[in-house]
Amino acid sequence: GAGVSQSPSNKVTEKGKDVELRCDPISGHTALYWYRQSLGQGLEFLIYFQGNSAPDKSGLPSDRFSAERTGGSVSTLTIQRTQQEDSAVYLCASSSSRGQETQYFGPGTRLLVL
Amino acid sequence: GNSVTQMEGPVTLSEEAFLTINCTYTATGYPSLFWYVQYPGEGLQLLLKATKADDKGSNKGFEATYRKETTSFHLEKGSVQVSDSAVYFCALYRPSYDKVIFGPGTSLSVIP
Repeated sequence: GAGVSQSPSNKVTEKGKDVELRCDPISGHTALYWYRQSLGQGLEFLIYFQGNSAPDKSGLPSDRFSAERTGGSVSTLTIQRTQQEDSAVYLCASSSSRGQETQYFGPGTRLLVL
Repeated sequence: GNSVTQMEGPVTLSEEAFLTINCTYTATGYPSLFWYVQYPGEGLQLLLKATKADDKGSNKGFEATYRKETTSFHLEKGSVQVSDSAVYFCALYRPSYDKVIFGPGTSLSVIP
């Protein structure tokens, strides 16, 4: 079956613009995660969804970042008024249930803020 | 709190050399432990995992043993290949936290 997909694969934007990043998890996976990977850095947890609700938003770096998930499937990560320090690869992962800890990752969206 | 520490990279090895990437963790209770691998230009994928003490995870010639007494999960491979060049992430999962905590990653380059 299809894996986790993300779009766009690359995004170049100007400072101050808003961007939306999309994640399509594996069909039937109830848990969905967003991470940020900056150049030469590890993974930074952003937010986690179980179904459509987000029990853990602790990783969102500022109020410019928000995320939603609809229908227990697709998720959108929105960054408002982008800054240059937002430049990174944004990774999405899904897993089959709350108790299933193996995560399946998408290829990521590479964001560059000029 | 929960955390994962990995040896710093980058690590450069010759083909057929023995590989060890150290990983230690801090967590109460009994977390599950993982190694994820990220090949150039790709997303992360699970390499192996272990869910309880003394379990050994293995895949593609890689192995790691869950050592609770030393809170470690070191990754080993007896003979690396050029195709093993990638970034390796150690991670832990605690159900009560419902998320995976990743280490910073260790970059491995294998040269012919």
